[in-house]
Amino acid sequence: QKEVEQNSGPLSVPEGAIASLNCTYSDRVSQSFFWYRQYSGKSPELIMSIYSNGDKEDGRFTAQLNKASQYVSLLIRDSQPSDSATYLCALNTNAGKSTFGDGTTLTVKP
Amino acid sequence: DAGVIQSPRHEVTEMGQEVTLRCKPISGHDYLFWYRQTMMRGLELLIYFNNNVPIDDSGMPEDRFSAKMPNASFSTLKIQPSEPRDSAVYFCASRVRGGGYTGELFFGEGSRLTVL
Repeated sequence: QKEVEQNSGPLSVPEGAIASLNCTYSDRVSQSFFWYRQYSGKSPELIMSIYSNGDKEDGRFTAQLNKASQYVSLLIRDSQPSDSATYLCALNTNAGKSTFGDGTTLTVKP
Repeated sequence: DAGVIQSPRHEVTEMGQEVTLRCKPISGHDYLFWYRQTMMRGLELLIYFNNNVPIDDSGMPEDRFSAKMPNASFSTLKIQPSEPRDSAVYFCASRVRGGGYTGELFFGEGSRLTVL
């Protein structure tokens, strides 16, 4: 079983819609969860981090964490063509390892 | 700060040649990670170091791969001999441990390796 599993995608939404990205993880003791965005040909960059159960909002982005279900999600409201990228779910284990899912490619169509 | 610096940015080599990729982490970061990214396998963790000590190298695909971190400001990933299936983008990333609630990874721009 992979440590971090993401929807295989690709995901396509119209401009202005809500994009929903999902992730599950296997290590129950993981404490820190992250969403990175990677544009084609570029390196990943952090867009959200979340450590406690519940929702965390930052502008158009909302991260949700449910530790009991071992589930992390990212909602992008009012999606823009510039949001088209691959979104990577990641976690830090207690041993210090930073591990990633395979990513979900999002396309926002004008 | 200049960020994580990787070199070379692009490398084209022939099968059987030795390849050395280099990384300078952000000053003060005590974790350093090497990842490999391909379309088929996504972003794979190869090895990571804490305070220059290798912690987990279980992701290194085989003995042809080796990594070192002789000091806090420099790490290398070596492939010898290289094979066409090693073609990928190799990322170096660093972070601080923090108080358990930081841990953002900062990535270099990557080294794109093509083995012919």
